[in-house]
Amino acid sequence: QKEVEQNSGPLSVPEGAIASLNCTYSDRGSQSFFWYRQYSGKSPELIMFIYSNGDKEDGRFTAQLNKASQYVSLLIRDSQPSDSATYLCAVYNTDKLIFGTGTRLQVFP
Amino acid sequence: DTAVSQTPKYLVTQMGNDKSIKCEQNLGHDTMYWYKQDSKKFLKIMFSYNNKELIINETVPNRFSPKSPDKAHLNLHINSLELGDSAVYFCASSPRTGEGGYTFGSGTRLTVV
Repeated sequence: QKEVEQNSGPLSVPEGAIASLNCTYSDRGSQSFFWYRQYSGKSPELIMFIYSNGDKEDGRFTAQLNKASQYVSLLIRDSQPSDSATYLCAVYNTDKLIFGTGTRLQVFP
Repeated sequence: DTAVSQTPKYLVTQMGNDKSIKCEQNLGHDTMYWYKQDSKKFLKIMFSYNNKELIINETVPNRFSPKSPDKAHLNLHINSLELGDSAVYFCASSPRTGEGGYTFGSGTRLTVV
C-alpha cells in the first residue's frame, strides 16, 4: 500500500464548477497535511496546509481533513482554466514530506 | 531575488559520466532537501540536511553524494550515471526540520543517454 494515494485523473470540470480532489494516507500517526500545485514543467508550490480535523478555507480553496478516515481533500470553488495543473497531496511524517502521485485537474471553458 | 535556485536547469550527459547539480537558497532556512521526480511525476525524497548536517538519506545508491558547505547551499554529485537516473531533481528548503511548507527550486532535468 502506498503511503499517500491519489487518483491520477485527469479530473475534468467546467469553468465555474467546484473541483474536488481527494487523498488518503496510511500512517495514522501523521499530523500535518499539505496541498501543492504543480504546473506542467514547473516546480511544486504550496497552496494550503491543514493540521486539525475539519475544514480550512483560503480564498477559493478549502482543505478538509478527517483523521479517523485518514482522508484529506481539496475543494476549488469557481474553477478557472488557470487552475489546470497537477495537485499533489503531501503528508509530513518522520522529518520528511511524503507525496502522493498527484491528480491532474483540467478546467475547460 | 530567486528564493531557491538550482543550476543547471537542463543536463544531458552520457552513461558513466559524473555530474553535479548546485542549489542555493536565500530564505535563511535551516533545512534543505533533494527530491527526485520520475517520469510518472512521483516526487520522492532523497536527502535532507539541517544546518549542514545530514538528517535523511533515503536508500539512495551511494553513487549519489550530497554536500552542504553551509546552510544556504546543498549540492548533489552523481557518479557513474545510469539511464535510470534520468529524472527531474528538485531542491527544496524549509525554515526548520519539522515543517512541511517547503519552497522548491525550479528543478534540474537530467537526461542520461
